[in-house]
Amino acid sequence: QSALTQPRSVSGSPGQSVTISCTGTSSDVGGYNYVSWYQQHPGKAPKLMIYDVSKRPSGVPDRFSGSKSGNTASLTISGLQAEDEADYYCCSYAGSYTLVVFGGGTKLTVL
Amino acid sequence: QVTLKESGPALVKPTQTLTLTCTFSGFSLSTSGMRASWIRQPPGKALEWLARIDWDDDKFYSTSLKTRLTISKDTSKNQVVLTMTNMDPVDTATYYCARSVESGAFDIWGQGTMVTVSS
Repeated sequence: QSALTQPRSVSGSPGQSVTISCTGTSSDVGGYNYVSWYQQHPGKAPKLMIYDVSKRPSGVPDRFSGSKSGNTASLTISGLQAEDEADYYCCSYAGSYTLVVFGGGTKLTVL
Repeated sequence: QVTLKESGPALVKPTQTLTLTCTFSGFSLSTSGMRASWIRQPPGKALEWLARIDWDDDKFYSTSLKTRLTISKDTSKNQVVLTMTNMDPVDTATYYCARSVESGAFDIWGQGTMVTVSS
């Protein structure tokens, strides 16, 4: 069982927006502004989409945005496109003992 | 251009020790702030962080696996090595090497190497 809780699946039609939640505790998500999000297509390595809760690496479309409220972080994808269909994982710093925790992953289906 | 590539055996027997090597280019692990981690993913399952080594040779391990893991680096060869002892079929997974910088996010990943544990 993963340390961070994500919905198993979400779906949306092209052009719509979807939000994926990532719930942790005050020891990880709620305690630090070090939440990151990764996109993974089948058979491929994960790709960094969001870091430090809401920052986008160069090259990531601004359709992808991140936020956090309390112990829950969220990834929002607006203007859904077919190529956004993938698995998404959240990740958080969890202090100097545990260090890093991942979510269980969310499968995004573009209808 | 930053790249990482994992290498190691595709098949190991139960109880054996797994040794994986991550060979990277485009950055140096002797540069302040640079870090490299190992992360694995069993088939159809979630990512699991295993270990990290920093530019100053600090090392960090998953609390659940720390007794079985050793991470090291060879800065001159641009390599990071992970050893995992007492392998079990549940350790069957794709093992990834990834770079992280100050924020801790994994900004560049290797392609991964699949390891199967079976007799």
